[in-house]
Amino acid sequence: DSGVTQTPKHLITATGQRVTLRCSPRSGDLSVYWYQQSLDQGLQFLIQYYNGEERAKGNILERFSAQQFPDLHSELNLSSLELGDSALYFCASSIGTGPSYEQYFGPGTRLTVT
Amino acid sequence: GEDVEQSLFLSVREGDSSVINCTYTDSSSTYLYWYKQEPGAGLQLLTYIFSNMDMKQDQRLTVLLNKKDKHLSLRIADTQTGDSAIYFCAEQGSQGNLIFGKGTKLSVKP
Repeated sequence: DSGVTQTPKHLITATGQRVTLRCSPRSGDLSVYWYQQSLDQGLQFLIQYYNGEERAKGNILERFSAQQFPDLHSELNLSSLELGDSALYFCASSIGTGPSYEQYFGPGTRLTVT
Repeated sequence: GEDVEQSLFLSVREGDSSVINCTYTDSSSTYLYWYKQEPGAGLQLLTYIFSNMDMKQDQRLTVLLNKKDKHLSLRIADTQTGDSAIYFCAEQGSQGNLIFGKGTKLSVKP
């Protein structure tokens, strides 16, 4: 158990809908990263927050957004969902930001868009 | 650009050593990581190596780094059926995010 929690574990929804994925980092970690794992793209970095502020952006679609709240939990919002958004979404947390800080991953949320 | 390559499959017999190889492109990466993913589970950090090291040993795991060739390997000694999983090599990108390879599926036959 990494100490990172993600809810829900599974989510099934229809195209065009909007969902929110939630992540609670390990106690004491200030940084949250979101990654998407799909069969064709592999594991791709989406976005990072550090102590409430956006720090880095990867291959995140404009239909997707995220935020980190004062209690440091983070939410990833996916809207206008398409079939291709079906994937495993992981969040990871670390104490700081940048190299030298290990990232610990949550169990993931499996999103299925029908 | 930043890219990480690794072979997709490896099959070994129980008790043998497994060697999983990886090549990366970003020579400025300061840390390189190995993660393990079991079926239906998240990513578990196995070990990492700092770029100024050649080797790191942690119980049954040995990481070798060849910076000149940008080649990283993970050796698992005395491989067990419980080691069957997908192993991901990752380098740290310029923004601190991890850049993963596609993963190597390790199958351990009894």
